[in-house]
Amino acid sequence: NAGVTQTPKFQVLKTGQSMTLQCAQDMNHEYMSWYRQDPGMGLRLIHYSVGAGITDQGEVPNGYNVSRSTTEDFPLRLLSAAPSQTSVYFCASSYSDVSEQYFGPGTRLTVT
Amino acid sequence: KNQVEQSPQSLIILEGKNCTLQCNYTVSPFSNLRWYKQDTGRGPVSLTIMTFSENTKSNGRYTATLDADTKQSSLHITASQLSDSASYICVVSARTGANNLFFGTGTRLTVIP
Repeated sequence: NAGVTQTPKFQVLKTGQSMTLQCAQDMNHEYMSWYRQDPGMGLRLIHYSVGAGITDQGEVPNGYNVSRSTTEDFPLRLLSAAPSQTSVYFCASSYSDVSEQYFGPGTRLTVT
Repeated sequence: KNQVEQSPQSLIILEGKNCTLQCNYTVSPFSNLRWYKQDTGRGPVSLTIMTFSENTKSNGRYTATLDADTKQSSLHITASQLSDSASYICVVSARTGANNLFFGTGTRLTVIP
């Protein structure tokens, strides 16, 4: 049982490049979320999903896309990277909206 | 406005000492309150989850309390260890379905020998 996995752990992009951050969980959780964490700020929700085929926007969705074709995977796509997207990104999953969330190890992204 | 505020922002204590971290919230309607520990460079890990009817919950040397009337919670760490050095994040869940979590900015605890 690997829990929540994220790849890559580190990434450097140039402004305007695109990329996909991968997230997978093996706990059969319906709820999955993407957060970004910046110094001095709490975790902020980017996008979330309540099940395969269902996604919705969080607090800071601009510049990011998601899809949920399977229960296990929830990739986050950066369409055209900007320096403001330099951050640490965490994926999380849970059984329901009120149950414990399990976080992945994070992806540290730098956009130059 | 739904908010979660934590204090202090940072704290330094000697190994073996106890400490208490505070969390005040204005989230409504309340569902549960969670404390997470986040080691540097890693994802948050859940310590406790408390519902409205629970006013204390322990996880080893960590004890969380909840006063739903005053909308306050505390996390007490007993006999601190160097491995307790981390950020501690308070998260409050609202009974509003998905997208219902409100995060504090955390307390950075450093335990020194």
